[in-house]
Amino acid sequence: EAGVTQSPTHLIKTRGQQATLRCSPISGHTSVYWYQQALGLGLQFLLWYDEGEERNRGNFPPRFSGRQFPNYSSELNVNALELEDSALYLCASSLVPGTQKQETQYFGPGTRLLVL
Amino acid sequence: GQQLNQSPQSMFIQEGEDVSMNCTSSSIFNTWLWYKQDPGEGPVLLIALYKAGELTSNGRLTAQFGITRKDSFLNISASIPSDVGIYFCAGPNYGGATNKLIFGTGTLLAVQP
Repeated sequence: EAGVTQSPTHLIKTRGQQATLRCSPISGHTSVYWYQQALGLGLQFLLWYDEGEERNRGNFPPRFSGRQFPNYSSELNVNALELEDSALYLCASSLVPGTQKQETQYFGPGTRLLVL
Repeated sequence: GQQLNQSPQSMFIQEGEDVSMNCTSSSIFNTWLWYKQDPGEGPVLLIALYKAGELTSNGRLTAQFGITRKDSFLNISASIPSDVGIYFCAGPNYGGATNKLIFGTGTLLAVQP
């Protein structure tokens, strides 16, 4: 069974541009989560999508947004890129929220975004 | 907000040694997860704990869910070079409509052959 996949693996942008990152969850998983892992700052929760709706977002500005498609894949968009947006962006997926085991999150390999 | 304190920050050991690391929380968790992250990769789930007092093994790895629900331990026996990486504990914050994971600060493990 395929795990969570993300694309692209690496992305280089300049300040002020927009970045789009993509994620495909594990088959059967309906929840998708986005995390930012910046150097020295650990993993920070960004967004949670379930059944096509944004369920919650972390403490990030509105220029971080996303969506979830009917096939449960997801996009993360970062507008007006800033240098400090350089980080590894990780996507995770889980089954329908319910029991503890169903909510266990499995991560993709990440997209490394570099903003110059 | 909830915080996870993970220790030690780093460990440098010889191949064959046993390793112990732990995670403590300022509040109760109902689930404890242990992940390993290799450089440039996403975290890989090692062990999931769902019940206070639970002791679970995955090969040479053993993790325990503390009775108080505020801590968890991960042990690695007979370490090998491929154990190198960063180990994170995590717990889900299910408060309200939140379904995010709170991560510990990580333990960097280096194993010398």
